Amino acid sequence: NAGVTQTPKFQVLKTGQSMTLQCAQDMNHEYMSWYRQDPGMGLRLIHYSVGAGITDQGEVPNGYNVSRSTTEDFPLRLLSAAPSQTSVYFCASSYSSRGPNEKLFFGSGTQLSVL
Amino acid sequence: AQTVTQSQPEMSVQEAETVTLSCTYDTSESDYYLFWYKQPPSRQMILVIRQEAYKQQNATENRFSVNFQKAAKSFSLKISDSQLGDAAMYFCAYRTPSRGAQKLVFGQGTRLTINP
Repeated sequence: NAGVTQTPKFQVLKTGQSMTLQCAQDMNHEYMSWYRQDPGMGLRLIHYSVGAGITDQGEVPNGYNVSRSTTEDFPLRLLSAAPSQTSVYFCASSYSSRGPNEKLFFGSGTQLSVL
Repeated sequence: AQTVTQSQPEMSVQEAETVTLSCTYDTSESDYYLFWYKQPPSRQMILVIRQEAYKQQNATENRFSVNFQKAAKSFSLKISDSQLGDAAMYFCAYRTPSRGAQKLVFGQGTRLTINP
């Protein structure tokens, strides 16, 4: 199994450009989420999904859109990139939500720079 | 709102020695889970150890153990016999059963350096 696959691994954008960070998982997980990692701030939840067609906002959703049309894919869209969105982005998935032993599977991250 | 605080941005230890990374959290919940994740330079997020709040016994995984002090809201990670491969960023994280596995709250991270 490939697990959680994120593309691209690196990206440089100019202010105002748009782009989509791709995330796909092949484990038939219902739950998926996006985090951003910034120095000194750890990882913060941007958006999450509890199943196809269902998404909700996390801690820092402004400037990002998501949709979940299939169980496998959970793309993150930046409509008009800003320098404040320079960060490393992680996608994660899990089979279920509640149990203490439920493991969160992370992708390898996308490093985004907005100039 | 729940918060997780790691007050040590950087730590270093001699190879083969023991190091303890600190983590405190703030919550009004009585049932929750705590985690330590390791992030090596590859950026991969690796679950090191988990602790359930209702369990009094401290979790251990080989050379990794925690000191869970529920009343003090403290969750420190002890790494024994440190190895060069332990060098990484370490993140403390928290969630409640109602928040779900995909909604973790992370601390700021501690960068651990192992000196040979």
